[in-house]
Amino acid sequence: DIQMTQSPASLSASLGETVTIECLASEDIYSNLAWYQQKPGKSPQLLIYYANSLNDGVPSRFSGSGSGTQYSLKINSLQSEDVSIYFCQQNYDSPYTFGAGTKLELK
Amino acid sequence: EVQLVESGGGLVQPGRSLKLSCAASGFTFSNYDMAWVRQAPTKGLEWVASISTGGGNTYYRDSVKGRFTISRDNAKSTLYLQMDSLRSEDTATYYCARHLYTTDYYFDYWGQGVMVTVSS
Repeated sequence: DIQMTQSPASLSASLGETVTIECLASEDIYSNLAWYQQKPGKSPQLLIYYANSLNDGVPSRFSGSGSGTQYSLKINSLQSEDVSIYFCQQNYDSPYTFGAGTKLELK
Repeated sequence: EVQLVESGGGLVQPGRSLKLSCAASGFTFSNYDMAWVRQAPTKGLEWVASISTGGGNTYYRDSVKGRFTISRDNAKSTLYLQMDSLRSEDTATYYCARHLYTTDYYFDYWGQGVMVTVSS
């Protein structure tokens, strides 16, 4: 199975700050990567797919980048509603594995 | 508005069976591949199974292969997951999810989830 390692496991940031979350795949996944946001008590929501494609309705302050085994999610101008757990997921090979998540809190 | 509503969860003893349902609305169900994704308590997400638009192709993670069966009824816009020989490690919230594209395993809509607890 392809292992997805996210870092950091948690982070605390201030409103208006820029935040970056990293995801490392155990092998090349050729940009077949998604990012999801899961707010407390809610189901996950797709933010980014194909590493850098923004899903419909997702604010433009979210962006994704990366290639090969290394990917990142950037949130510009952090808002209070961005407090969530963020997961990466590879779409390259079965089983389609997720990272353990990054918990984002407000400072 | 796309809606996915799961039902059928509960407490079940190890070795027993349970069948989950997911009622879909707000989109043409028969045009989309569908999936089940689970999340154990305080843990990450785990893809379980997917099914093609017509139901003819099904895909499973190894740990549930031979025990779980994904199926669909396009006339009823409903997705199912038959879970047999349940184990404690199957305890999780089970989400019904829609594939973004037929050829990919990105999930653009998720249900609210249904809890399955396997315990004696």
